[in-house]
Amino acid sequence: KQEVTQIPAALSVPEGENLVLNCSFTDSAIYNLQWFRQDPGKGLTSLLLIQSSQREQTSGRLNASLDKSSGRSTLYIAASQPGDSATYLCARRGRDDKIIFGKGTRLHILP
Amino acid sequence: SAVISQKPSRDICQRGTSLTIQCQVDSQVTMMFWYRQQPGQSLTLIATANQGSEATYESGFVIDKFPISRPNLTFSTLTVSNMSPEDSSIYLCSVVPMNTEAFFGQGTRLTVV
Repeated sequence: KQEVTQIPAALSVPEGENLVLNCSFTDSAIYNLQWFRQDPGKGLTSLLLIQSSQREQTSGRLNASLDKSSGRSTLYIAASQPGDSATYLCARRGRDDKIIFGKGTRLHILP
Repeated sequence: SAVISQKPSRDICQRGTSLTIQCQVDSQVTMMFWYRQQPGQSLTLIATANQGSEATYESGFVIDKFPISRPNLTFSTLTVSNMSPEDSSIYLCSVVPMNTEAFFGQGTRLTVV
């Protein structure tokens, strides 16, 4: 069974800290990996997409890495802000185009 | 890119009734995907809707409960049948255009009373 695991499930850090969210997946034959943000009661906002041939992608204070061989991805958030508080979801797209989500990391940035 | 219009955005339904959710995409796509997000949970794939063939359901989901239509390459519907309070969730449709990221509708928030 293809699974996506996210650690930690929840995280609270003071404003200004750098942090890392972890994602692991069991099937290395992925097409790409995508990180989303979801605010309470809202839809999904795509943050970063990493193709299987890439090792990392950056957007502003966000950096996502991909290591297919170990089945891992990380989302690095620099200089965290209270507005970063949300649930972050990692999603793996397989060769069958199905996207499987992790359970998410609930992030709370303390002012 | 793709823009997805999903309707209704929310509904409150009586148990035992059915609700049909519509998903319209602004471009032709081969596959459309339907997800469920139960309260406080992540997204779970219900089924893959292919134009011209029956939908493919994931383990734990059956056609009698979640019938799906895919009449053309830009439209799909998901019906939640014989609803119970346990069906209260957000239902989302998604498309994955070639070599791009996944795009999601804004979701249908369903409450069954």
